[in-house]
Amino acid sequence: AQSVTQLGSHVSVSEGALVLLRCNYSSSVPPYLFWYVQYPNQGLQLLLKYTSAATLVKGINGFEAEFKKSETSFHLTKPSAHMSDAAEYFCAVSESDFGNEKLTFGTGTRLTIIP
Amino acid sequence: EAQVTQNPRYLITVTGKKLTVTCSQNMNHEYMSWYRQDPGLGLRQIYYSMNVEVTDKGDVPEGYKVSRKEKRNFPLILESPSPNQTSLYFCASSLSALHTGELFFGEGSRLTVL
Repeated sequence: AQSVTQLGSHVSVSEGALVLLRCNYSSSVPPYLFWYVQYPNQGLQLLLKYTSAATLVKGINGFEAEFKKSETSFHLTKPSAHMSDAAEYFCAVSESDFGNEKLTFGTGTRLTIIP
Repeated sequence: EAQVTQNPRYLITVTGKKLTVTCSQNMNHEYMSWYRQDPGLGLRQIYYSMNVEVTDKGDVPEGYKVSRKEKRNFPLILESPSPNQTSLYFCASSLSALHTGELFFGEGSRLTVL
């Protein structure tokens, strides 16, 4: 079964600093990889996805992620953190077991922005 | 507005009292799924449905039932809730079972079982 590991359950960065959230995956086949964001008291929304096209994927709100097969990583970055980025972030891998679009999620990383 | 709507958003109940969490989507999506979110465990799939009248178990189906009688609705049923079902529940939908991985989520239903 495919899986993802998010390193660091809590990350704090200063406003304006680089955001780096780490995700490593395991997969026996080329994966589809995703980052979702969850703001307080809300559902998850898609931030960006990798589907075997460009390895550098740009998402909403200035976030991007780079797929590195050799490192089995899909880290999420943003050059300059904003207060509105405070949320929980989930990395996920798609296991398209015929008909079941099951996303296997990591355990999440809570991002705190320090003013 | 395209959305997935869950009700209730918050519920406190007692062990053994049957309850239903409703989920409705207005995007004509074929695929729907239920997840539960627990601290330190991320989201785990409970049940999913590829289309009307087609449902199947996810990773943690014990203690839950679902039905898919209409395309837009996918209720989650807890016949006899227990405290270990205290959790945050999310319903999600997608255009089709082949639209890999891109799910639209409801805002969640926080359930407490005493």
